[in-house]
Amino acid sequence: DAGVIQSPRHEVTEMGQEVTLRCKPISGHNSLFWYRQTMMRGLELLIYFNNNVPIDDSGMPEDRFSAKMPNASFSTLKIQPSEPRDSAVYFCASSSIYSGEPETQYFGPGTRLLVL
Amino acid sequence: RKEVEQDPGPFNVPEGATVAFNCTYSNSASQSFFWYRQDCRKEPKLLMSVYSSGNEDGRFTAQLNRASQYISLLIRDSKLSDSATYLCIQYSNYKLTFGKGTLLTVNP
Repeated sequence: DAGVIQSPRHEVTEMGQEVTLRCKPISGHNSLFWYRQTMMRGLELLIYFNNNVPIDDSGMPEDRFSAKMPNASFSTLKIQPSEPRDSAVYFCASSSIYSGEPETQYFGPGTRLLVL
Repeated sequence: RKEVEQDPGPFNVPEGATVAFNCTYSNSASQSFFWYRQDCRKEPKLLMSVYSSGNEDGRFTAQLNRASQYISLLIRDSKLSDSATYLCIQYSNYKLTFGKGTLLTVNP
């Protein structure tokens, strides 16, 4: 099993630029989560998809952030325009309600974003 | 009050020591709890689930006290490879809420 795949692994961009982060969940998983991790705030849930439908986006910081899941094997998180305070590690995680432990989430390796 | 609170540490212990972390949570309706481990510059990975009163897996023991709303993780005979950040998590209605983590360094 390839696990959750994220790209890019590192991104350095300038303030004002658009940033797109990508995630491929584990095959067969029907839930997908985007998290942001910073030293100050720890891990925060940004948005949760179930069967490709956004269920809870209350953690999305503001309108500059948007997320899509066009199919079961792909999701994007977009920041436009980016700001220095968006610098963080962004994790994607997936889980399956059909598994014995639906609460268990499997994390991708993360994207380290630095906005200058 | 934060939903999940942990002592950030750092905990520095010698190899072979026993170390315990505590975590308190505010949502009494939480259905289950987890400990995840996160190595430096890596993703969090599931260490243990805590569904009822507790769980034991080798050198690791997790306990849950619903009356006092706290969870603990005990590591016995600690190894150098146990050095990591340990994240306490509560699960409720599909959502995982993370503590900020406790940093453990096991020294030779």
